[in-house]
Amino acid sequence: AQTVTQSQPEMSVQEAETVTLSCTYDTSESDYYLFWYKQPPSRQMILVIRQEAYKQQNATENRFSVNFQKAAKSFSLKISDSQLGDAAMYFCAYRRRYTGTASKLTFGTGTRLQVTL
Amino acid sequence: DAGITQSPRYKITETGRQVTLMCHQTWSHSYMFWYRQDLGHGLRLIYYSAAADITDKGEVPDGYVVSRSKTENFPLTLESATRSQTSVYFCASSELDTQYFGPGTRLTVL
Repeated sequence: AQTVTQSQPEMSVQEAETVTLSCTYDTSESDYYLFWYKQPPSRQMILVIRQEAYKQQNATENRFSVNFQKAAKSFSLKISDSQLGDAAMYFCAYRRRYTGTASKLTFGTGTRLQVTL
Repeated sequence: DAGITQSPRYKITETGRQVTLMCHQTWSHSYMFWYRQDLGHGLRLIYYSAAADITDKGEVPDGYVVSRSKTENFPLTLESATRSQTSVYFCASSELDTQYFGPGTRLTVL
């Protein structure tokens, strides 16, 4: 079974600084997707970024980028120029590529990010 | 507005009562999912559906029932609520590789 581990329950970053959230996963599959979701106090789950395992290039979305290390099964999220609005719980998630039973997401337990002035 | 909605947003009920949480999406996505979110567990899959009239169990299905008579709706029913079902419930939908989530329902079972 696939597992996703986020070893940092809480992180803190100063406004305008850079922070990296860690995620590791375990799978025997070679083709899959990885995601970072943001959950602000409103509880809404918001997709931040997505990485396809067969793509070597790291995904980037504005101030958010990932460091995807397939051999190490590591998928970290870097937030640059942190803003107060980035304060939230961040979840790493894994999904096998193919549809059907494999469509389900497996989530980590989350990292709570605090942004300070 | 297009998207995925859940109702109610908050619900308090008593042990033993039947509760139905509603989920509606306007994208015509084939796949729909129900997750529960509890401290220390992240989100865990309860049930999912690949299309109308096709449903299957997820990781934690006990005590829950689902149906999907129409593509856009995917209600989740707690037939006899228990305190351990106090949680935040999220509905999600997807067509290809990315799941999009509703705003969640906070359910409290007294």
